This record gives sequence, C-alpha cells and structure tokens, in this order.
Amino acid sequence: DMKVTQMPRYLIKRMGENVLLECGQDMSHETMYWYRQDPGLGLQLIYISYDVDSNSEGDIPKGYRVSRKKREHFSLILDSAKTNQTSVYFCASSLTGTYAEQFFGPGTRLTVL
Amino acid sequence: GQQVQQSPASLVLQEGENAELQCNFSSTATQLQWFYQSPGGSLVSLLSNPSGTKHTGRLTSTTVTKERRSSLHISSSQTTDSGTYLCAISSNTNKVVFGTGTRLQVLP
Repeated sequence: DMKVTQMPRYLIKRMGENVLLECGQDMSHETMYWYRQDPGLGLQLIYISYDVDSNSEGDIPKGYRVSRKKREHFSLILDSAKTNQTSVYFCASSLTGTYAEQFFGPGTRLTVL
Repeated sequence: GQQVQQSPASLVLQEGENAELQCNFSSTATQLQWFYQSPGGSLVSLLSNPSGTKHTGRLTSTTVTKERRSSLHISSSQTTDSGTYLCAISSNTNKVVFGTGTRLQVLP
C-alpha cells in the first residue's frame, strides 16, 4: 500500500522552542518535499530533497532546515519556532523524473504560541 | 518563474450539475496534476495529465500544452465532491507550483 506518513498530526509549541516534523514513505521515492499551506497563499514549497543528503531550498526556506539520512525518511526542523510558522505542513514524495506524480501525507497542524 | 492561475476561485452547484474548472500556467510544463483537498484534509491526486485528455470515473481532464491550459470537468456532481481542487505544475526541475485552487460547493 503506497503511503506517505507524517508525525505528529497536531503540535502546539511555544515561541522559541524547537520543532521536529517527521515524514516517511514506503515507495522508495527519490524525491521528497516539504510544503506549508496557509489560507489565501496556497501551498508553498519549503525544501525539496532529491535523495539522501541531497537537499535544495524551495521558495520559503528561511527559518527551516531539513534532514534526509535515509531515502524513506525526511525531517523538517524549526530551530526556535516563531508565531508566523503556525501553519499546516505537508510532506510529499515522488519518483524523480519528468512525469513524476506527487503523493501527499496527511499533514501536520502546527501552532506556535 | 512558473505561475499557475485557477478559475473560478469558487463555484456553487446543485447536485447533479456539471462543473468545469480551469488551470492556466505561464511556462512549459512537463507534468500537470489535479488534486482534491477536503476541508481540513490532505491532498489526493485525481489525475495526472500533462497533455491530451484523460478520464477517471466522473472526471475528465483536458490539457492543451501549447496553450498552457488545462481543464477539469466533473460530471453529475455530488455533495461529496465539495472541497478544493488544486492544479499543480512541474517543469524539468521537479519543483512543483500549485494554483490557489477552486473551492467547490455542491448543494443537495
């Protein structure tokens, strides 16, 4: 069963705390993505990873970093979270290639107080 | 960079009516996906259609690559079709750009 998982699904943190969002996929996809979704702004790409230790900034990388040490696992880290990082975060994966389709995880709703 | 415009922004239908959603993009696309997102939910891939016409169930997507546009036709809409429909375009870099979506409401 092809699946992208995300943990946790809901998270509340205080400003200045560190945040770790985890994403896993069981499809051996090379490429993985982190997006955030905000009302009126749609989905914005934070980071893209083309394989283990091969990460690239997306459109809004400031305030975030990522880690990919295994192909099936991609983490998003917020060092010292800010209130404007309150959002819904989605992870996605795809095969690498011109016609690759993306598969999305269920999302993590993060609230930074 | 790539820009994706979706229209209409919102649409209200009576159950049984058909819906036509549009996606226009500014640069050459190698992949185009239509997604469905329920309120508060994740994105579910409906169709992958970089060119031509594709059907699945009550959905038909037609993409005219040269004109940089795609449409999603929903026939005989049902209340369970209510939600947001997103168009996503990718080019050679694997980066994907999303439109802001069409919010569909189907009334019983």
